Amino acid sequence: GDSVTQKEGLVTLTEGLPVMLNCTYQTIYSNAFLFWYVHYLNESPRLLLKSSTDNKRTEHQGFHATLHKSSSSFHLQKSSAQLSDSALYYCAPERSNYQLIWGSGTKLIIKP
Amino acid sequence: GALVYQYPRRTICKSGTSMRMECQAVGFQATSVAWYRQSPQKTFELIALSTVNSAIKYEQNFTQEKFPISHPNLSFSSMTVLNAYLEDRGLYLCGARESSDYTFGSGTRLLVI
Repeated sequence: GDSVTQKEGLVTLTEGLPVMLNCTYQTIYSNAFLFWYVHYLNESPRLLLKSSTDNKRTEHQGFHATLHKSSSSFHLQKSSAQLSDSALYYCAPERSNYQLIWGSGTKLIIKP
Repeated sequence: GALVYQYPRRTICKSGTSMRMECQAVGFQATSVAWYRQSPQKTFELIALSTVNSAIKYEQNFTQEKFPISHPNLSFSSMTVLNAYLEDRGLYLCGARESSDYTFGSGTRLLVI
């Protein structure tokens, strides 16, 4: 069935270092969107990036991701981490009927 | 911009009682509303998807008898957790969309004692 894997539950980095959060998915429909949501404590999950186009880089607020259908991946990256990037990040492919499948989430902690 | 207000933010209910949570969409028409639950140490799990003028579709393991949902218009939806027990505790999240992306509320944290 449709599913998504975020293998890192926790990523701790020093400010200024690059960020890469992994996301792989299994068996979603061919033109589905994949989303990255960022969730700060006590706030609403907020859309960070989305894509449905193979091999096209999408960017927003310093983060970028490229959907690679050949490897079923949509990893989230940032060249230089900031303290304010500390949050929970969810990869969420879209199942049919506009339903999101939420990954298990990756907690990103950025230290000074 | 599009906003979703969800309330209450947190609530405590006694085991066996019920509680209702509500979501209000502002700035757009909530054609579809999805309700999720995040149990402790788990990710968000879809409870049901409600689309105006269509039947509410519940996911496996969730029923209308336990989680009745109302979606009476394009700006409001509510869900009740009936006869709540310890396993129902967690963060309940509503997400609403008009045509493309979901806008989420900030969640209702339910504690059952």
